[in-house]
Amino acid sequence: GENVEQHPSTLSVQEGDSAVIKCTYSDSASNYFPWYKQELGKGPQLIIDIRSNVGEKKDQRIAVTLNKTAKHFSLHITETQPEDSAVYFCAASRDSNYQLIWGAGTKLIIKP
Amino acid sequence: GAGVSQTPSNKVTEKGKYVELRCDPISGHTALYWYRQSLGQGPEFLIYFQGTGAADDSGLPNDRFFAVRPEGSVSTLKIQRTERGDSAVYLCASSPTGSETQYFGPGTRLLVL
Repeated sequence: GENVEQHPSTLSVQEGDSAVIKCTYSDSASNYFPWYKQELGKGPQLIIDIRSNVGEKKDQRIAVTLNKTAKHFSLHITETQPEDSAVYFCAASRDSNYQLIWGAGTKLIIKP
Repeated sequence: GAGVSQTPSNKVTEKGKYVELRCDPISGHTALYWYRQSLGQGPEFLIYFQGTGAADDSGLPNDRFFAVRPEGSVSTLKIQRTERGDSAVYLCASSPTGSETQYFGPGTRLLVL
């Protein structure tokens, strides 16, 4: 079955700097890759997603890149702000069942 | 509009008891998912409904876990003979027809003493 690995587990960056979180997946049939942000005590919130027919997608300060050959995808956050502090999860799924397989999460800390 | 809601927000029970967790999906969403999240980990898939039927229940850990969605809207996750290892946050998500995007509720925090 699918396995998603996420790195790093914790990332601390200075406010205003960029943050990059990386994930790899094992199932070449996976074709949908969302990123979720989870704040303490809340459910995951979708921030951006990408399908396998696209190599990059951007939404304001957030971008996701996908390398299908290498089976890895990354989240890029530019001009980080204090409110970006949270746990970020990557996930992968395939069309046949839409079941999301999740990474272990990255705790992002924005230092003032 | 209203998002996914889950009740109760917190549930404390004793080992061996029966619990029910409720999920109200976004109105009109045909797909509904249950996940379980242990502390410091990513969510783990439990079951997926398309309408009233369970399209994929491969994530249910054992026969103590059961979920229903009788009218294709509200879903209830039922856990019999709870064990301490069942303690976790139970998350529900819903999707509109034909979309892979899942919208999550706030979760129910279950603590089995």
